Amino acid sequence: GENVEQHPSTLSVQEGDSAVIKCTYSDSASNYFPWYKQELGKGPQLIIDIRSNVGEKKDQRIAVTLNKTAKHFSLHITETQPEDSAVYFCAASIGQGGKLIFGQGTELSVKP
Amino acid sequence: ETGVTQSPTHLIKTRGQQVTLRCSSQSGHNTVSWYQQALGQGPQFIFQYYREEENGRGNFPPRFSGLQFPNYSSELNVNALELDDSALYLCASSPERLTLIRFFGPGTRLTVL
Repeated sequence: GENVEQHPSTLSVQEGDSAVIKCTYSDSASNYFPWYKQELGKGPQLIIDIRSNVGEKKDQRIAVTLNKTAKHFSLHITETQPEDSAVYFCAASIGQGGKLIFGQGTELSVKP
Repeated sequence: ETGVTQSPTHLIKTRGQQVTLRCSSQSGHNTVSWYQQALGQGPQFIFQYYREEENGRGNFPPRFSGLQFPNYSSELNVNALELDDSALYLCASSPERLTLIRFFGPGTRLTVL
Protein backbone atom coordinates (compact mmCIF):
# COMPACT_ATOMS: atom_id res chain seq x y z
CA GLY A 1 0.00 0.00 0.00
CA GLU A 2 0.94 3.64 0.05
CA ASN A 3 3.76 4.39 2.44
CA VAL A 4 6.25 7.17 3.16
CA GLU A 5 9.37 6.47 5.19
CA GLN A 6 11.24 9.40 6.77
CA HIS A 7 14.74 9.52 8.29
CA PRO A 8 16.20 10.42 10.70
CA SER A 9 13.61 10.59 13.46
CA THR A 10 15.73 13.09 15.39
CA LEU A 11 18.44 15.45 14.18
CA SER A 12 20.59 17.80 16.23
CA VAL A 13 22.82 20.40 14.55
CA GLN A 14 24.80 23.47 15.56
CA GLU A 15 23.52 26.86 14.51
CA GLY A 16 24.85 27.67 11.05
CA ASP A 17 25.24 24.04 10.00
CA SER A 18 23.12 22.35 7.33
CA ALA A 19 20.36 19.81 8.00
CA VAL A 20 19.15 17.13 5.62
CA ILE A 21 16.00 15.02 6.01
CA LYS A 22 15.24 12.16 3.64
CA CYS A 23 12.02 10.43 2.59
CA THR A 24 11.15 7.51 0.37
CA TYR A 25 7.73 6.74 -1.05
CA SER A 26 6.23 3.50 -2.28
CA ASP A 27 3.66 4.49 -4.90
CA SER A 28 5.28 5.46 -8.19
CA ALA A 29 2.09 7.33 -9.15
CA SER A 30 2.82 9.95 -6.46
CA ASN A 31 3.20 13.33 -8.09
CA TYR A 32 3.23 15.93 -5.34
CA PHE A 33 5.62 16.14 -2.39
CA PRO A 34 5.12 18.84 0.26
CA TRP A 35 7.16 19.46 3.39
CA TYR A 36 5.55 20.72 6.58
CA LYS A 37 7.01 22.27 9.73
CA GLN A 38 5.10 21.70 12.96
CA GLU A 39 5.89 23.68 16.07
CA LEU A 40 4.68 22.68 19.50
CA GLY A 41 0.95 23.20 19.91
CA LYS A 42 0.42 24.22 16.28
CA GLY A 43 -0.79 22.64 13.08
CA PRO A 44 1.59 21.72 10.23
CA GLN A 45 2.77 24.69 8.17
CA LEU A 46 3.68 24.20 4.52
CA ILE A 47 7.28 25.33 3.96
CA ILE A 48 8.06 24.07 0.47
CA ASP A 49 6.69 21.61 -2.07
CA ILE A 50 7.78 19.98 -5.31
CA ARG A 51 5.90 18.36 -8.15
CA SER A 52 7.00 15.25 -10.00
CA ASN A 53 7.99 17.12 -13.15
CA VAL A 54 10.68 19.06 -11.26
CA GLY A 55 13.95 17.72 -9.85
CA GLU A 56 14.85 20.52 -7.46
CA LYS A 57 13.30 23.61 -5.92
CA LYS A 58 14.84 26.25 -3.70
CA ASP A 59 13.40 28.97 -1.49
CA GLN A 60 16.02 31.01 0.36
CA ARG A 61 17.65 28.63 2.90
CA ILE A 62 15.37 25.71 2.08
CA ALA A 63 15.65 23.36 -0.88
CA VAL A 64 13.98 20.12 -1.87
CA THR A 65 15.27 17.51 -4.32
CA LEU A 66 13.32 14.69 -5.95
CA ASN A 67 14.65 11.48 -7.47
CA LYS A 68 11.69 9.79 -9.15
CA THR A 69 13.67 6.77 -10.26
CA ALA A 70 14.73 5.96 -6.72
CA LYS A 71 11.43 7.25 -5.29
CA HIS A 72 13.01 9.53 -2.78
CA PHE A 73 13.04 13.19 -1.94
CA SER A 74 14.99 15.27 0.52
CA LEU A 75 14.76 18.55 2.44
CA HIS A 76 17.89 20.63 2.81
CA ILE A 77 18.10 23.53 5.26
CA THR A 78 21.25 25.64 5.13
CA GLU A 79 22.57 28.10 7.71
CA THR A 80 20.25 26.71 10.35
CA GLN A 81 18.92 28.99 13.08
CA PRO A 82 17.43 28.16 16.51
CA GLU A 83 13.97 29.10 15.18
CA ASP A 84 14.26 26.24 12.67
CA SER A 85 13.85 23.86 15.62
CA ALA A 86 10.58 21.96 15.11
CA VAL A 87 9.20 18.68 13.80
CA TYR A 88 9.37 18.36 10.01
CA PHE A 89 7.10 16.07 8.00
CA CYS A 90 7.38 14.97 4.41
CA ALA A 91 4.30 13.83 2.52
CA ALA A 92 3.28 12.45 -0.85
CA SER A 93 0.02 12.48 -2.76
CA ILE A 94 -1.38 11.16 -6.02
CA GLY A 95 -3.37 13.04 -8.59
CA GLN A 96 -5.17 16.34 -8.12
CA GLY A 97 -6.39 16.83 -4.57
CA GLY A 98 -5.49 13.32 -3.46
CA LYS A 99 -4.94 12.48 0.18
CA LEU A 100 -1.57 13.23 1.73
CA ILE A 101 0.47 10.30 3.04
CA PHE A 102 2.82 11.60 5.72
CA GLY A 103 6.15 10.38 6.95
CA GLN A 104 6.75 9.77 10.65
CA GLY A 105 8.42 13.13 11.24
CA THR A 106 11.90 14.40 12.11
CA GLU A 107 12.50 16.39 15.26
CA LEU A 108 15.13 18.97 14.38
CA SER A 109 17.02 20.70 17.17
CA VAL A 110 19.31 23.63 16.32
CA LYS A 111 21.67 24.44 19.16
CA PRO A 112 22.91 28.05 19.49
CA GLU B 1 -1.58 32.04 9.97
CA THR B 2 -3.48 29.88 7.47
CA GLY B 3 -6.96 31.27 8.11
CA VAL B 4 -8.24 27.83 9.11
CA THR B 5 -9.77 27.77 12.58
CA GLN B 6 -10.79 24.81 14.71
CA SER B 7 -12.84 24.46 17.87
CA PRO B 8 -12.54 23.50 20.59
CA THR B 9 -8.77 23.60 21.14
CA HIS B 10 -8.86 20.88 23.78
CA LEU B 11 -11.47 18.33 24.78
CA ILE B 12 -11.68 15.51 27.31
CA LYS B 13 -14.20 12.70 26.89
CA THR B 14 -14.74 9.24 28.32
CA ARG B 15 -14.93 5.94 26.49
CA GLY B 16 -18.23 5.36 24.72
CA GLN B 17 -19.11 9.03 24.42
CA GLN B 18 -19.59 10.95 21.19
CA VAL B 19 -17.72 14.07 20.10
CA THR B 20 -18.11 16.76 17.44
CA LEU B 21 -15.16 18.83 16.26
CA ARG B 22 -15.54 21.92 14.10
CA CYS B 23 -13.51 23.61 11.40
CA SER B 24 -13.89 26.88 9.54
CA SER B 25 -12.10 26.95 6.24
CA GLN B 26 -10.12 29.78 4.80
CA SER B 27 -12.29 32.09 2.72
CA GLY B 28 -12.72 30.82 -0.84
CA HIS B 29 -11.68 27.26 0.00
CA ASN B 30 -14.31 24.67 -0.89
CA THR B 31 -12.42 21.48 -0.06
CA VAL B 32 -11.79 20.35 3.49
CA SER B 33 -9.99 17.27 4.75
CA TRP B 34 -9.52 15.84 8.23
CA TYR B 35 -6.46 14.10 9.65
CA GLN B 36 -5.74 12.32 12.92
CA GLN B 37 -2.30 12.80 14.45
CA ALA B 38 -1.37 10.46 17.29
CA LEU B 39 1.40 11.60 19.61
CA GLY B 40 4.78 11.33 17.92
CA GLN B 41 3.32 10.29 14.57
CA GLY B 42 2.55 11.86 11.23
CA PRO B 43 -1.04 12.85 10.41
CA GLN B 44 -3.30 10.10 9.04
CA PHE B 45 -5.99 10.93 6.46
CA ILE B 46 -9.56 10.40 7.71
CA PHE B 47 -11.71 11.83 4.89
CA GLN B 48 -12.22 14.75 2.54
CA TYR B 49 -15.24 16.80 1.49
CA TYR B 50 -15.77 18.85 -1.64
CA ARG B 51 -18.90 20.97 -2.03
CA GLU B 52 -20.63 19.09 0.82
CA GLU B 53 -19.94 15.61 -0.62
CA GLU B 54 -17.41 13.11 0.75
CA ASN B 55 -14.91 12.43 -2.03
CA GLY B 56 -12.23 10.41 -0.31
CA ARG B 57 -11.87 8.32 2.83
CA GLY B 58 -8.95 6.77 4.66
CA ASN B 59 -8.80 3.59 6.70
CA PHE B 60 -11.09 4.70 9.53
CA PRO B 61 -14.24 2.92 10.78
CA PRO B 62 -17.76 4.24 10.07
CA ARG B 63 -18.03 5.70 13.58
CA PHE B 64 -15.90 8.52 12.13
CA SER B 65 -18.25 10.68 10.08
CA GLY B 66 -18.34 14.20 8.81
CA LEU B 67 -20.26 17.01 7.27
CA GLN B 68 -19.45 20.02 5.15
CA PHE B 69 -21.84 22.95 5.16
CA PRO B 70 -22.77 25.38 2.34
CA ASN B 71 -20.37 27.95 3.79
CA TYR B 72 -17.64 25.26 3.50
CA SER B 73 -17.21 24.90 7.27
CA SER B 74 -17.03 21.31 8.44
CA GLU B 75 -17.62 18.94 11.32
CA LEU B 76 -15.96 15.69 12.34
CA ASN B 77 -18.10 13.38 14.46
CA VAL B 78 -16.75 10.38 16.32
CA ASN B 79 -19.15 7.94 18.00
CA ALA B 80 -18.43 5.31 20.64
CA LEU B 81 -15.08 6.84 21.58
CA GLU B 82 -12.17 4.51 22.29
CA LEU B 83 -8.96 5.20 24.19
CA ASP B 84 -7.00 5.01 20.92
CA ASP B 85 -9.01 7.92 19.54
CA SER B 86 -6.94 10.23 21.75
CA ALA B 87 -5.04 12.39 19.28
CA LEU B 88 -4.71 15.79 17.65
CA TYR B 89 -7.40 16.20 14.98
CA LEU B 90 -6.38 18.47 12.14
CA CYS B 91 -8.52 20.14 9.55
CA ALA B 92 -7.02 21.29 6.24
CA SER B 93 -8.60 23.35 3.49
CA SER B 94 -7.78 23.77 -0.19
CA PRO B 95 -8.95 26.42 -2.66
CA GLU B 96 -10.67 23.93 -4.93
CA ARG B 97 -10.95 20.19 -5.50
CA LEU B 98 -8.09 19.98 -7.93
CA THR B 99 -5.54 21.90 -5.92
CA LEU B 100 -2.62 20.12 -4.31
CA ILE B 101 -2.01 22.54 -1.47
CA ARG B 102 -3.48 21.98 1.99
CA PHE B 103 -3.55 24.67 4.66
CA PHE B 104 -3.84 23.20 8.13
CA GLY B 105 -5.59 24.56 11.17
CA PRO B 106 -4.11 24.41 14.69
CA GLY B 107 -5.99 21.22 15.56
CA THR B 108 -8.18 19.97 18.39
CA ARG B 109 -6.50 17.90 21.08
CA LEU B 110 -8.91 15.10 22.09
CA THR B 111 -8.22 13.03 25.18
CA VAL B 112 -10.34 9.95 25.81
CA LEU B 113 -10.25 8.59 29.38
